[in-house]
Parts: sequence; C-alpha cells; structure tokens
Amino acid sequence: QKEVEQNSGPLSVPEGAIASLNCTYSDRGSQSFFWYRQYSGKSPELIMSIYSNGDKEDGRFTAQLNKASQYVSLLIRDSQPSDSATYLCAVNIRPMNRDDKIIFGKGTRLHILP
Amino acid sequence: DGGITQSPKYLFRKEGQNVTLSCEQNLNHDAMYWYRQDPGQGLRLIYYSQIVNDFQKGDIAEGYSVSREKKESFPLTVTSAQKNPTAFYLCASSTGGAAYNEQFFGPGTRLTVL
Repeated sequence: QKEVEQNSGPLSVPEGAIASLNCTYSDRGSQSFFWYRQYSGKSPELIMSIYSNGDKEDGRFTAQLNKASQYVSLLIRDSQPSDSATYLCAVNIRPMNRDDKIIFGKGTRLHILP
Repeated sequence: DGGITQSPKYLFRKEGQNVTLSCEQNLNHDAMYWYRQDPGQGLRLIYYSQIVNDFQKGDIAEGYSVSREKKESFPLTVTSAQKNPTAFYLCASSTGGAAYNEQFFGPGTRLTVL
C-alpha cells in the first residue's frame, strides 16, 4: 500500500482561480504534514506545515487537514503563473520499532494558464 | 545569510569511482538528511543524522556512506557499489530529528555517471 499518494497531474488552472491539491496517506498515526513547492531543476521549498485538524492559512495558501479521512490538501488562491511547479506532500509515519520518518509523495504538477 | 549549501552543483563520475558530495549548514540545526530524487519519483531517504558522530541508514543506504564529524557538515560518499547513482541528491536539515520538525533543503547536486 502506497503511504503518501498524490495525483501526478498536470493540474491546469486559469490564472486568478483557486488551485486545489490533494494528498492521502495510509498511517492513521501520522501527526505532521508538510507541503513543499519544487520548481523544475530546483530543490523543494517548504510552503506550509500543519499538525491539527482544520485549516491553516498563510497568505494565498491554505492547508486543510482531515485526520479522520486521512487527507491533507493545499489551496492556492488567486493563482499566478509563478505558482506553476510541482507540489510535494510529506507526512510522518511511525514504522513499528523504528524512528518516525517523513515520507514524500511523488508530487502534483501544477500549471497556471495565463 | 543562514542556509544550506551543497557542492558541487553538477558532478560527473566514471564507473568504478567513488565521489563525495558536500553539505554544509549554518542554521545551527541538529539533524541532517540525505535524499535522492529520480525523475517522476518522490524523495527517498539515504541516511540521516540526529546528532554529531551518529547517523542512521535510511531506506536506500546500500552503496552510500556518510560521516558527521561536525554539526555543520554531513558529506555523502557515493561508492562504486551503488549500481545506479545517476540522480538528483538533496541535503536537508531540521532543528531536531523528530518527524514533526520542518526540514529545509539545500540547492542539490546533480550526479551523472558517464
């Protein structure tokens, strides 16, 4: 069973619209959730972290967490061409008798249409 | 400026050679990580270190070695035993080794085997 799943995309969104990126995870014990943005050929950049159910807003970005349904999403309001990138979801898992670790999804490619 | 530096940016290796990738951070972070990213794939953990003079294997440690003699430095050696080393290598650091700590990435090293 895949531990962190994301739709690979590409997700095409008109400029100025809301982009919605989704991520599901398999470990019910997960406590930490992160969204990274990665431009082509560059390293990932942390956008948001969320640890509690509900919404967390930071500028044009909103992270939403629903632990009961095991999904976390990222909303980008007023999408700009500069938001075109791959968005990685990362979740902590707790393997039996081993250290917690962060698992990254394969990412969703977002394309903002001018 | 605080941050994580990786060198070189590009590295070419002949088969049978060992190469060492540098990672330095001045964020005063305790934990450091090495990931590998292949096209269309998520990040996979190679090694991590939560404290000086201690490190742990990640999911794909075979063919790699690390050292952590200083808090600021976590070099990765790709040995000739690594059969498919061509990839984008990312170093990250966090304030602590717990999975709820946010990880921040360096710019990466792109390794190509000739």
